[in-house]
Amino acid sequence: DQQVKQNSPSLSVQEGRISILNCDYTNSMFDYFLWYKKYPAEGPTFLISISSIKDKNEDGRFTVFLNKSAKHLSLHIVPSQPGDSAVYFCAGNSNYQLIWGAGTKLIIKP
Amino acid sequence: NAGVTQTPKFQVLKTGQSMTLQCAQDMNHNSMYWYRQDPGMGLRLIYYSASEGTTDKGEVPNGYNVSRLNKREFSLRLESAAPSQTSVYFCASSEALRGGNTEAFFGQGTRLTVV
Repeated sequence: DQQVKQNSPSLSVQEGRISILNCDYTNSMFDYFLWYKKYPAEGPTFLISISSIKDKNEDGRFTVFLNKSAKHLSLHIVPSQPGDSAVYFCAGNSNYQLIWGAGTKLIIKP
Repeated sequence: NAGVTQTPKFQVLKTGQSMTLQCAQDMNHNSMYWYRQDPGMGLRLIYYSASEGTTDKGEVPNGYNVSRLNKREFSLRLESAAPSQTSVYFCASSEALRGGNTEAFFGQGTRLTVV
C-alpha cells in the first residue's frame, strides 16, 4: 500500500522553462509534506516543505502547491536550470515518520 | 563541515555474514535515523533514535539492530545478512523529533550487496 506516489519516474524539461513534479498521497493524517532532492552517489537534501493547513509555499525558484481535496501536491521550479537535474522525492510526515515516494528523475535539457 | 558521515561506502557480504554500518553526525542533533532505499522505491525507515539512549522501530526493522552509542553515533547491525538486504542504506539526523517539517540531513549512503 503506497501512501505516497510519484507516478512519473522521469521528466525532461528545457532549460529556462517550468518544471512541474507531481505527487499523490492517500494518508489524510499527514501533517507536513516535504520535497528532497538527490544527486547520484549523495544523500537526499531538503528542498522545501508545506504544512497540511496551507495550500502554497514559495522559496525562490521553488513553489509547492497542496490540494488537500485531491490529495495531490506539486513542486514547481521556475526557471529550470541545469543544476536542477536530480531525483526529486516527495514525502509525507505522519507520527514523526516520513513516508517517501519513489522519486522522479528530472532532466534539464540545454 | 562534515555533517553526517557513514562508513563504509560500499560493502559486499556473503549470506549469513554479519556487519555493522557506522554513522556519526557533528551537528549536535538529538535525533538520528536509518533508512534503506531499493530500486523503484522511496526511502523506508528501518530504525530511529529520538534522543540519546532511545531507539524505536520504523517501517522495516526485521533483520536489523541498532545502537545509539552516544549523541553523535548511531550504528546499524545486520546479524545474519540475507540477499533481501541488498540495498542502499542512508543515515540521517535532525535537530529534534518534533514533527512535520523538521529538516533531516543525510549521509552519502552505503551500497550493500549480499550474495
